[in-house]
Amino acid sequence: NAGVTQTPKFQVLKTGQSMTLQCAQDMNHEYMSWYRQDPGMGLRLIHYSVGAGITDQGEVPNGYNVSRSTTEDFPLRLLSAAPSQTSVYFCASRLSENYGYTFGSGTRLTVV
Amino acid sequence: AQSVAQPEDQVNVAEGNPLTVKCTYSVSGNPYLFWYVQYPNRGLQFLLKYITGDNLVKGSYGFEAEFNKSQTSFHLKKPSALVSDSALYFCAVNSGAGSYQLTFGKGTKLSVIP
Repeated sequence: NAGVTQTPKFQVLKTGQSMTLQCAQDMNHEYMSWYRQDPGMGLRLIHYSVGAGITDQGEVPNGYNVSRSTTEDFPLRLLSAAPSQTSVYFCASRLSENYGYTFGSGTRLTVV
Repeated sequence: AQSVAQPEDQVNVAEGNPLTVKCTYSVSGNPYLFWYVQYPNRGLQFLLKYITGDNLVKGSYGFEAEFNKSQTSFHLKKPSALVSDSALYFCAVNSGAGSYQLTFGKGTKLSVIP
């Protein structure tokens, strides 16, 4: 079982570049979320989805877009990278609000 | 708005001693509470949850947590700490059924000293 797969694991971007962080899960989970982890800040919710075609903003959505065309995939797009977006990004999925999240292994992004 | 506080950035405990990692929360309605652990350079792993029922819940690796509604707390405990328990621990909450956003605390670094 693959669980939640995130690609790439590491990425360096120049300010102003765009990119997509990929996330895929094979557990047929309806709920998926993107978090960013920064030292001393814990995990902060960027965007989340409760099913294909349904997405909503979390705590820190600015500069990021998401879409959910299938149950399996939930890509995160950085529109115009800024140094403030240097962080570790985690994708997670769960069956419903009663269940714990399964997390991916993360993407470490550096914007220079 | 829902929130989670983990009042200790770091907890040090001697191997074999009991450990407690503290968590308090604020939500409207009934809370769904979770604990996660993160080992260095890894993603988070689910440890345990409280949804309803018995206030003492047991989870993975011998951890347990006690839900206290009057004190709005959900402290993580283990009777005898292992060096391998050293990691970053996160408490998280969402406000019950139909609440989609899971809010995390800032994390507590647990160091178990041999």
